[in-house]
Amino acid sequence: QVTLKESGPALVKPTQTLTLTCTVSGFSLTSTGVRMSWIRQPPGKALEWLARVDWDDDKYYTTSLKTRLTVSKDTSKNQVVLTMTNMDPADTATYYCARIYSRTSDWHFDLWGRGTLVTVSS
Amino acid sequence: QPVLTQPPSVSGAPGQSVTISCTGTSSNIGAPYDVHWYRQLPGTAPQLLIHANNNRPSGVPDRFFGSKSGASASLAISGLQPEDESDYYCQSYDYSLGGYVFGTGTKVTVL
Repeated sequence: QVTLKESGPALVKPTQTLTLTCTVSGFSLTSTGVRMSWIRQPPGKALEWLARVDWDDDKYYTTSLKTRLTVSKDTSKNQVVLTMTNMDPADTATYYCARIYSRTSDWHFDLWGRGTLVTVSS
Repeated sequence: QPVLTQPPSVSGAPGQSVTISCTGTSSNIGAPYDVHWYRQLPGTAPQLLIHANNNRPSGVPDRFFGSKSGASASLAISGLQPEDESDYYCQSYDYSLGGYVFGTGTKVTVL
């Protein structure tokens, strides 16, 4: 069964570093063409793409948060990891892990995890 | 912050049709990059509804129709049903930002 499952702390304090893990089942992160992303959604607001890591370890970040984000893979555990430094209450959101389908000009998110809600508060 | 603009809400009676617009710019939809649509029920993850402008994944009824023209796209829902009540988001790629962009989201209400 092909699934994504996010995990991490539900509550972090301002200025702390957030680490989220996406555990992938049903396919390998090292298979050619596999691209994974992190997307977040503040309560009641729109979706925002954060970062992407590819099977060959290429990495991409949203410009506005680039200095605070790091995305990586743990291939031994088939997991994708996102770290975000200097957390702020404005970073309170549900964080989703998603797989990117890519073929010619068709690049969309075809598989999503259930998401994990992270609240930033002292 | 979202790059693509959608109406906040649309509504219609059961059986009627509604259309959701998604307006972008020359660096995303007009570039032209494909537009994709997702449906999101409260408390759940988004689910792919339309990909590459007008392609429905297996299981999505043909009541959902996507189209694109210039720097804008639309999602039409015909024969509105109570279970269509949801939030809908468009998504594309923006080369000037170097990343994926989403719409502001539209809440569909079935009257």
